[in-house]
Amino acid sequence: SFELTQPPSVSVSPGQTAAIACSGDKLGDKFVSWYQQKPGQSPVLVIYQDDRRPSGIPERFSASNSGNTASLTITGAQAVDEADYYCQTWDNTVVFGGGTTLTVL
Amino acid sequence: QVHLEESGPRLVKPSETLSLTCSVSGGSVTSYYWSWVRQSPGNGLEWVGFVFHTGATDYNPSLNGRISMSLDTSKRQFSLRLASVTSADTATYFCAALTGTTSGKFDYWGQGALVSVSS
Repeated sequence: SFELTQPPSVSVSPGQTAAIACSGDKLGDKFVSWYQQKPGQSPVLVIYQDDRRPSGIPERFSASNSGNTASLTITGAQAVDEADYYCQTWDNTVVFGGGTTLTVL
Repeated sequence: QVHLEESGPRLVKPSETLSLTCSVSGGSVTSYYWSWVRQSPGNGLEWVGFVFHTGATDYNPSLNGRISMSLDTSKRQFSLRLASVTSADTATYFCAALTGTTSGKFDYWGQGALVSVSS
């Protein structure tokens, strides 16, 4: 079965750029979405179709997808961005990555 | 805008059947793949399955045939049944609206229902 691999954790200082990777076999041939989940809350879509932002998502969120790796970038990370982030794709079925905890401190 | 709300028993005994319903308000029932995603305590998201307005379904193979989903378009509700549950099925179950498949994205999520499997 298809697998998506994410680092368990990423840590940055406020104002720095945070990058979260998601890897999978030939992932660049598939569309990737990204979700933000804060403790006790439901996930929120922050990126879809590799690099598109839904309305209401700040411009500091961007993403790319090429080769075997998709990446979510938060430029100028803020304390409010602390959350778990999940990548997701479709490979005959829905697949989620294991999630990455972003710490901003 | 679509609003989703889960309902159903929050405590299920081992070997019994977990049943949840998601009520949909707003949006078109024919526009989405109505989905369930679960998250066991302290862990990541796991897709459970979806049902489309045509009646088509797709389930996570790891659930080994224990799952069934249905959609009642007139009531604007879709349901999940998971049979022969064990403690491994203890999780928060989110209902969600998936737009498309290959380019699909979960646009809307319910608030989640924590279901515990315990005697």
